[in-house]
Amino acid sequence: TAGITQAPTSQILAAGRSMTLRCTQDMRHNAMYWYRQDLGLGLRLIHYSNTAGTTGKGEVPDGYSVSRANTDDFPLTLASAVPSQTSVYFCASSVGLGQEAFFGQGTRLTVV
Amino acid sequence: GENVEQHPSTLSVQEGDSAVIKCTYSDSASNYFPWYKQELGKRPQLIIDIRSNVGEKKDQRIAVTLNKTAKHFSLHITETQPEDSAVYFCAAPITGTASKLTFGTGTRLQVTL
Repeated sequence: TAGITQAPTSQILAAGRSMTLRCTQDMRHNAMYWYRQDLGLGLRLIHYSNTAGTTGKGEVPDGYSVSRANTDDFPLTLASAVPSQTSVYFCASSVGLGQEAFFGQGTRLTVV
Repeated sequence: GENVEQHPSTLSVQEGDSAVIKCTYSDSASNYFPWYKQELGKRPQLIIDIRSNVGEKKDQRIAVTLNKTAKHFSLHITETQPEDSAVYFCAAPITGTASKLTFGTGTRLQVTL
């Protein structure tokens, strides 16, 4: 079973460029999340979705946007990347909000 | 605001000793408390969780205890082994507009021979 997958696994991006990080799950989970992981700061929530068609802002949403057109996909877009967005990004899903989260393998993004 | 605090940030123990990691949370409505293990370069994975209707849960060498009155929960690893070396994260659902999992800042556990 695939579970939850992210693409790409790593990317180097020029500042000012846009990029979409992809996330797909095949577990029919209602809730999906995007976290960024930075050394010493743990996992910080960027955006979330509790069901297809709805999204919400997390702790650090500025500079990012998401959409949830269907249950399986939850892409994260950086409209104009800045160096402070250099991080490891994890997508996750759960049956519902506040329940066990399953993580993708992560995307390492470097903005130069 | 509502948050989850985790201590210590780093922990070094000798193989065979026990390790304890503690977390406190601020939202009294939180009812689900998972612990995740993240090995170097890998994704976080759930190792144990507890719900608010019990005070302790065990799974082999791992246990989690919950004190709802004090709003803290702890991860206990006994008879530590080198493969326990990793970063451990606690989490709790913080209510607001919706109950989203908020993570602690992590504890880097090093088990030395």
